[in-house]
Amino acid sequence: DGGITQSPKYLFRKEGQNVTLSCEQNLNHDAMYWYRQDPGQGLRLIYYSQIVNDFQKGDIAEGYSVSREKKESFPLTVTSAQKNPTAFYLCASIGLGTGVSGANVLTFGAGSRLTVL
Amino acid sequence: KQEVTQIPAALSVPEGENLVLNCSFTDSAIYNLQWFRQDPGKGLTSLLLIQSSQREQTSGRLNASLDKSSGRSTLYIAASQPGDSATYLCAVGGHGGNTGKLIFGQGTTLQVKP
Repeated sequence: DGGITQSPKYLFRKEGQNVTLSCEQNLNHDAMYWYRQDPGQGLRLIYYSQIVNDFQKGDIAEGYSVSREKKESFPLTVTSAQKNPTAFYLCASIGLGTGVSGANVLTFGAGSRLTVL
Repeated sequence: KQEVTQIPAALSVPEGENLVLNCSFTDSAIYNLQWFRQDPGKGLTSLLLIQSSQREQTSGRLNASLDKSSGRSTLYIAASQPGDSATYLCAVGGHGGNTGKLIFGQGTTLQVKP
């Protein structure tokens, strides 16, 4: 079955540590996104990538970094510069154009919950 | 700057009741509007997608409407069931024409009591 796999599902981090969240999709989608969700707030865009080896900052990119070396993978690193990293992180992808699975509909992974100890 | 608001934040109804969830947005220049469902601790599932040129979309017991001029969308759920209990989020696309860059509302948490 096609979909988006995020790992780990739960992650604990000590202050000052960098952590990397994995996002893999087998939908052959061109564009991938990272959103952050906090209690009582809507999702906010961190980074996105529309093609391999290219990515852009979203609304809250400070303290985060990404890479897009392969079409199917878009890992997110939460660095020690992110002052309040405890949140639920959601990866999503979308197929641009026609004839692509889920074209123009954003498909989400199950999420990764990061807690800073 | 586009802002999306959902009212109410929480709603509890008895099983079988018809209900309406509201979503408002400040900038009418949108590309599309989507409604998502989120179960606790899970990712989002797309329910309905309305393009800016459309007025409504229907899927089963769900009907979503869009009125760009007033900056409003509603999600109508007919004959609610306990399995409909979840958080419902609306999101507006149109940020630079990129359909994956969405502005989300805070969500409405729905509880349907048996």
